[in-house]
Amino acid sequence: EIVLTQSPATLSLSPGERATLSCRASQSVSSYLAWYQQKPGQAPRLLIYDASNRATGIPARFSGSGSGTDFTLTISSLEPEDFAVYYCQQRSNWLFTFGPGTKVDIK
Amino acid sequence: EVQLVQSGAEVKKPGESLKISCKGSGYSFTSYWIGWVRQMPGKGLEWMGIIYPGDSDTRYSPSFQGQVTISADKSISTAYLQWSSLKASDTAMYYCARLSGSYYGGYWGQGTLVTVSS
Repeated sequence: EIVLTQSPATLSLSPGERATLSCRASQSVSSYLAWYQQKPGQAPRLLIYDASNRATGIPARFSGSGSGTDFTLTISSLEPEDFAVYYCQQRSNWLFTFGPGTKVDIK
Repeated sequence: EVQLVQSGAEVKKPGESLKISCKGSGYSFTSYWIGWVRQMPGKGLEWMGIIYPGDSDTRYSPSFQGQVTISADKSISTAYLQWSSLKASDTAMYYCARLSGSYYGGYWGQGTLVTVSS
């Protein structure tokens, strides 16, 4: 089973700052990686799929990059509604796994 | 509009059985995989398994194989997650998600809270 690790566990930033979140896979997942946002009491929302494609309706301040084992989610300028937990997820060989999450909170 | 509507919260005792549901609408139910995701209190997300309602092809994550059963009834556009004997450790929020064409969770249900307590 492919294990995903995310860093940092918590990122404390102010609105308007840039957020850089990392996700590392225990073996290559090619570009089969997604990012989700989850706010308290809500279901997750798909932000990025196949490493770098924004899902429908996702603002351009969210971008994804990477391939193989190292991936990055960047939020170019944090809006108040962006403070949430972010999960990466891989879908290699029909065995889907999530990373443990990065919480982005207000500094 | 694509919608996934899940059944309501459940409170059960250890050892009891349970089946929760996820009804899809606004799309061709038989053409997209549906997955189930567990979120234990205060914890992260875990994929449990997926099902293709068109032919009931089902894949389980190793941690959940043998622990739950995923099924679907395409005649009523509904997917199910069931337990034959609940444990306290099954207490969690359970989400269903419709996989997109790229096989990610593009649409999500609102979640079903399952509480198992004696």
